[in-house]
Amino acid sequence: DAGVIQSPRHEVTEMGQEVTLRCKPISGHNSLFWYRQTMMRGLELLIYFNNNVPIDDSGMPEDRFSAKMPNASFSTLKIQPSEPRDSAVYFCASTLGEETQYFGPGTRLLVL
Amino acid sequence: QKEVEQNSGPLSVPEGAIASLNCTYSDRGSQSFFWYRQYSGKSPELIMSIYSNGDKEDGRFTAQLNKASQYVSLLIRDSQPSDSATYLCAVKDSSASKIIFGSGTRLSIRP
Repeated sequence: DAGVIQSPRHEVTEMGQEVTLRCKPISGHNSLFWYRQTMMRGLELLIYFNNNVPIDDSGMPEDRFSAKMPNASFSTLKIQPSEPRDSAVYFCASTLGEETQYFGPGTRLLVL
Repeated sequence: QKEVEQNSGPLSVPEGAIASLNCTYSDRGSQSFFWYRQYSGKSPELIMSIYSNGDKEDGRFTAQLNKASQYVSLLIRDSQPSDSATYLCAVKDSSASKIIFGSGTRLSIRP
């Protein structure tokens, strides 16, 4: 199995630009999670989906952030417009049966 | 707000010694507990899960759970330099399909 796939692995953009992060979960997994990790705040859950349906988006910082899961094999996290404080590592994780979460390699985002 | 608390460290342990990592959690109804290891610049990976009170051993790793005290720990025996990483304690939310992570303890094994 290829594991959770994320793209891009690194993203450098300027403040105000739109950023789209992509995730392909492990085939057969029914839950997908988006996390953000910074030194100051640690690993924060942004949003998670069960069977492609958003369940809890209370961790999404503000309206500039949005996430979609159009099918079982693909999800996006979009930031529009981006700000320097959005700089972080964004992880996608998937799971089957709500237990062990398998993390992707992460996207390192730098907003200048 | 449900929380998972860990000492951020760094915890420095000599090679060959036992490293002890601790974690407390606030959700009294939680039934599933996890330890993830995260190397610098990498993603978290699961190393242990525990669901019942007591000890669970896997190689050099032992997870300990005390639900009455809302306390989870991880022991690493015969610590190796390759064990140097950040260890994240995680607890399954009892009322939602999500896991709550602690901020992690940075462990350094000195040769």
